[in-house]
Amino acid sequence: DSGVTQTPKHLITATGQRVTLRCSPRSGDLSVYWYQQSLDQGLQFLIQYYNGEERAKGNILERFSAQQFPDLHSELNLSSLELGDSALYFCASSGTAPDTQYFGPGTRLTVL
Amino acid sequence: AQKITQTQPGMFVQEKEAVTLDCTYDTSDPSYGLFWYKQPSSGEMIFLIYQGSYDQQNATEGRYSLNFQKARKSANLVISASQLGDSAMYFCAMRVFNAGNNRKLIWGLGTSLAVNP
Repeated sequence: DSGVTQTPKHLITATGQRVTLRCSPRSGDLSVYWYQQSLDQGLQFLIQYYNGEERAKGNILERFSAQQFPDLHSELNLSSLELGDSALYFCASSGTAPDTQYFGPGTRLTVL
Repeated sequence: AQKITQTQPGMFVQEKEAVTLDCTYDTSDPSYGLFWYKQPSSGEMIFLIYQGSYDQQNATEGRYSLNFQKARKSANLVISASQLGDSAMYFCAMRVFNAGNNRKLIWGLGTSLAVNP
């Protein structure tokens, strides 16, 4: 158990819908990262937050947004969902030193 | 360009034997870190081992060791005494600093390891 929690574990929805994925980092970790893992694209970095502020952006679509709240939990919002958004979405958290990223169990999103 | 290369898409090993998973990296930064993660079929991503660019000794964690050859820019994972539970996808990743001094992880495409009984 990494100490990072993600809910829900599975999510099935239809095209055009909007969903919210939730992540709670390990106790004491200020950084939260979101990743998308699909079969054809591997592990793609989406976005990073540090103590409530956006720190880095990766290959995140404009239909996707995220935020980190004062209690450090984070949410990833996916809207206008397409079939191609079906993937495993990971949240990871890290401290500063060492800055190892510890991953949550992931949310498996299926868009029908 | 900063890049991680894992040249072995798939590997087989007999139970109880040792196996080496290759990882080469490319960066011009003097300070970087190298990580290995394991992803079993259940999907979770499990941190295995870390090596810093300034570390003099190769990292070890139980049956995992990292064969760090800085001049060759390689960071191979060695798993000793393979077990059936080691069957999984293994990812090598490199931590570098991007513009703004933010940490960034660059990932390889992974190696699928199958342990045969």
